[in-house]
Amino acid sequence: ETGVTQSPTHLIKTRGQQVTLRCSSQSGHNTVSWYQQALGQGPQFIFQYYREEENGRGNFPPRFSGLQFPNYSSELNVNALELDDSALYLCASSGGTVKTQYFGPGTRLLVL
Amino acid sequence: QQPVQSPQAVILREGEDAVINCSSSKALYSVHWYRQKHGEAPVFLMILLKGGEQKGHDKISASFNEKKQQSSLYLTASQLSYSGTYFCGTEWADSWGKLQFGAGTQVVVTP
Repeated sequence: ETGVTQSPTHLIKTRGQQVTLRCSSQSGHNTVSWYQQALGQGPQFIFQYYREEENGRGNFPPRFSGLQFPNYSSELNVNALELDDSALYLCASSGGTVKTQYFGPGTRLLVL
Repeated sequence: QQPVQSPQAVILREGEDAVINCSSSKALYSVHWYRQKHGEAPVFLMILLKGGEQKGHDKISASFNEKKQQSSLYLTASQLSYSGTYFCGTEWADSWGKLQFGAGTQVVVTP
């Protein structure tokens, strides 16, 4: 167990809808990174939050947005869902001098 | 610009060894290795930092070749529990803290 939790575990949405995914970081960690993992592929970096500020973004459109709260938990929001957004969404927490990123169990999103 | 992993898949018998390679086209700052079992999240195995030494985790070890911008993961005397997909995550010098993952290497260990 990494101490990183995510909710919900599974979600089904239809095209055009909006979704919010949540992540609670491991105690003592101030950085949360979000990844999208399509079936059979490696995780793709979406963005990272450090002390409530976005600290780097991958090649994802602006309809992917996020937030980090004072307790370092984080949200990933996706607007105008597309079929290709169907994937496992992973968050990973890290912090301080510890560079290791520990993944949560993920949220599996299906867009119909 | 994702790192390239090879091989894509490997089948081993218990007790056999295997090597998984991870190559980057950009200068590496660190390499992170994870194992993911079907339906689960990636589990951290080890991290190798630029200028650091070879790391080990039980009978799994890894090396980092700065000249070649490559890391290798060594599975020694494989066990059934080693089955899963192995991913390398590379951290580049110009994007500190952000990991780019390869496509993964599927490892199947049979009795």
